[in-house]
Amino acid sequence: GENVEQHPSTLSVQEGDSAVIKCTYSDSASNYFPWYKQELGKRPQLIIDIRSNVGEKKDQRIAVTLNKTAKHFSLHITETQPEDSAVYFCAASKGTGGFKTIFGAGTRLFVKA
Amino acid sequence: EAQVTQNPRYLITVTGKKLTVTCSQNMNHEYMSWYRQDPGLGLRQIYYSMNVEVTDKGDVPEGYKVSRKEKRNFPLILESPSPNQTSLYFCASSSTSEDTQYFGPGTRLTVL
Repeated sequence: GENVEQHPSTLSVQEGDSAVIKCTYSDSASNYFPWYKQELGKRPQLIIDIRSNVGEKKDQRIAVTLNKTAKHFSLHITETQPEDSAVYFCAASKGTGGFKTIFGAGTRLFVKA
Repeated sequence: EAQVTQNPRYLITVTGKKLTVTCSQNMNHEYMSWYRQDPGLGLRQIYYSMNVEVTDKGDVPEGYKVSRKEKRNFPLILESPSPNQTSLYFCASSSTSEDTQYFGPGTRLTVL
């Protein structure tokens, strides 16, 4: 079936360093790729998303890149801060024509002060 | 305040006792979805709805039912809960299929 693989499962970085999380999806019809951040005990919240007609999107310290040919997309966080510590989930959905959404298993990011 | 609400937030029940988890949104969103979250498995979609009376299966629909009689409400029904349905459940809503999903606070369900 359709799936989304996310790596790494755990990532530890020093404050100020960059963090990169990678996802690979299987359904070539997927065209919407959001990233969610979930802090401990809280609900997931969208931090950035990208649609299939765009290769890269940036919002301050956060950027997402998409390679549709290779079916993978990545989250880049620069100048990490302790408050970036959380679990990050990537997801893929078909967008137009459906609402089926497949999430990755998550990456636990630790930012050490 | 724009929000998604779920009730109850915590529930402990026994095998076979029917239960309903309610979900309501006040943002006039057409799209709503239910997910379960289990350690190491991320969020898995159970059912989703693209409009009133329009629902479809997600990745893990077995053992669950949903209904969408009104735009704002999307209840999740477990007719005969089993211990493997012990999980953290999230409801979410979105204005379109390519837009932010707003999640409810979650319902932690334990089935004994």
